[in-house]
Formats: sequence, structure tokens, C-alpha cells
Amino acid sequence: LAKTTQPISMDSYEGQEVNITCSHNNIATNDYITWYQQFPSQGPRFIIQGYKTKVTNEVASLFIPADRKSSTLSLPRVSLSDTAVYYCLVGEGADKLIFGTGTRLQVFP
Amino acid sequence: NAGVTQTPKFQVLKTGQSMTLQCAQDMNHNSMYWYRQDPGMGLRLIYYSASEGTTDKGEVPNGYNVSRLNKREFSLRLESAAPSQTSVYFCASSEGLAGGNARQFFGPGTRLTVL
Repeated sequence: LAKTTQPISMDSYEGQEVNITCSHNNIATNDYITWYQQFPSQGPRFIIQGYKTKVTNEVASLFIPADRKSSTLSLPRVSLSDTAVYYCLVGEGADKLIFGTGTRLQVFP
Repeated sequence: NAGVTQTPKFQVLKTGQSMTLQCAQDMNHNSMYWYRQDPGMGLRLIYYSASEGTTDKGEVPNGYNVSRLNKREFSLRLESAAPSQTSVYFCASSEGLAGGNARQFFGPGTRLTVL
């Protein structure tokens, strides 16, 4: 089981880049790494997914080193609206659907 | 295109009462899921359905039953509600195989209180 470990919380200021790292030492060959964002009183929202190296979309970048034992979600130039909880998921099967407690990002003006 | 819809949004039950939470998706997804989220916690999988006509237990299935009525709809039933089932319930759906690699789309949630 690819258990993930993330920081419980992080603080940032508007305009800064935020990097949230997730550790997943037991990641399996078929496992992808997926990040979700959750605002209060809403369901999680998919942000980005990757398998190796770097993935970028209009919202974030995902960096995955060659050994794939960790990954880093990068949010460029955060704003107050990026204040949310961020979850890292790793795994192929339904038994891998473990969201954990995520990382609570607080962005200050 | 409404995505994933859930009804009701809020519900208060007394211990021992039963109720069914409804979920529907209009994205033609094969897989659907039910999660619960307790205050300050992450989501825990209750049941999932990889295709119409199939359902499987997740991490916390006790006290719940599900029905995959058709490809669009996946309902969650509490036969005899208990205070420990006070939570926010989220339904989700995804294309293809059910699991962590699938991109899931979530509904707005149902906030349930059991007194």
C-alpha cells in the first residue's frame, strides 16, 4: 500500500510560489500520483496527475523525481483563493483511495 | 452539463431512522464512489461501483448499503442511522477503472446529522 505523507499545514503570502511535497516510498510501478484541492464545504477538485518527471497545466506543476518516492505540487504566485486543503493520492486500485488529512494551505494578503 | 449532483444537501435524522442519499452523474462515467468526511479529516471510501450492476466495499462500509441503479445513479442507504454516522457524504464518479489512478469528479456533498 503506497502510504503518503504530507505536511499538515503551510502558510504563504499572496504572489509567492508554494511547493507541497508528498512522500510515497512504497509506490508501485502502475501507480500514478494525483493531487486534489478542497475548499471548505465543497467536494475535492482534481488539480493534476503525473507518472514521472514534470507535468504542467494551467493551474499547477507536478514534479516527480526519477525514483518516484516523492512528488511536489507547485502552485505559482498563489492568491487568497488558493487557501484550501491539498490531498496527494497514490495508487491504482480502489483500495488505494486514501485521501489522508492533506495539507492545509493558508494564504495571507 | 451538471456533473455530479447529490440530494439532499442537508439532513437531520434521529437515531434509528433510515434514509437514502441520492447521487447522479451526467458524464457517462463507468465508476462511482461514496465517501464520508468527518470534521478535520480526509475522505474515507464507503463503497464504490466499477460498473453498472457491481458494487464493492471500501474502507468503512459497515452501516451502509448501496445500489447502482443504472449507469447514472448510485445511492447510499443508511438502514438504522447512528450518531457515529454524522458526517459529510460525498459522491464521485470517474471514467474507466475505479481506483486511485482515475480522475474523480465530486459532488457538492450531503451534510448529515444524526441525533
